[in-house]
Amino acid sequence: IAGITQAPTSQILAAGRRMTLRCTQDMRHNAMYWYRQDLGLGLRLIHYSNTAGTTGKGEVPDGYSVSRANTDDFPLTLASAVPSQTSVYFCASSEVQGSGGELFFGEGSRLTVL
Amino acid sequence: GENVEQHPSTLSVQEGDSAVIKCTYSDSASNYFPWYKQELGKGPQLIIDIRSNVGEKKDQRIAVTLNKTAKHFSLHITETQPEDSAVYFCAARPGGYQKVTFGTGTKLQVIP
Repeated sequence: IAGITQAPTSQILAAGRRMTLRCTQDMRHNAMYWYRQDLGLGLRLIHYSNTAGTTGKGEVPDGYSVSRANTDDFPLTLASAVPSQTSVYFCASSEVQGSGGELFFGEGSRLTVL
Repeated sequence: GENVEQHPSTLSVQEGDSAVIKCTYSDSASNYFPWYKQELGKGPQLIIDIRSNVGEKKDQRIAVTLNKTAKHFSLHITETQPEDSAVYFCAARPGGYQKVTFGTGTKLQVIP
């Protein structure tokens, strides 16, 4: 069982370029999330989706957009990357009900913006 | 919104000793407190959680305690082993469909 698959694993990007981080889950979970992890700041929520067709803003949404066209996919787009978006990005999913709220994480995408 | 503080940021212990990580939260409505372990190069993984109607929960060498009055919760690892070396995150979540808020993480090193 793959769980959460993220791509790319690592990417170096020039400032101003557009970038999409891909996330696919095979657990049929309703909810999906994007977090960024920065040293000393922990995991901060960027955007989330409670179910296909809906999205919401998290703690640090500026400069990012998401879409949820179906249950399995939840891409994160940086329209015009800036160096402060250098980070490790984690996609996660959860059942909205029944599982107690456990988050299942992918292995991360390391993004460097120069 | 919820604010979770976590201490210490780094912790080194000798193999076989105990490790304790402490967290505080601000939102009295929070009722679910998970702990995640992140190994190097991996995503975080849930290791234990506790709900507000319980004061303590154990799972083998891992235990979590919760003091709702003081808004404190702690992770206790006994008889530490080298494979316990990782970054640990606490988190808190208000009820319903609210999102979890994570602490800033504790890097635990177990010295053989």
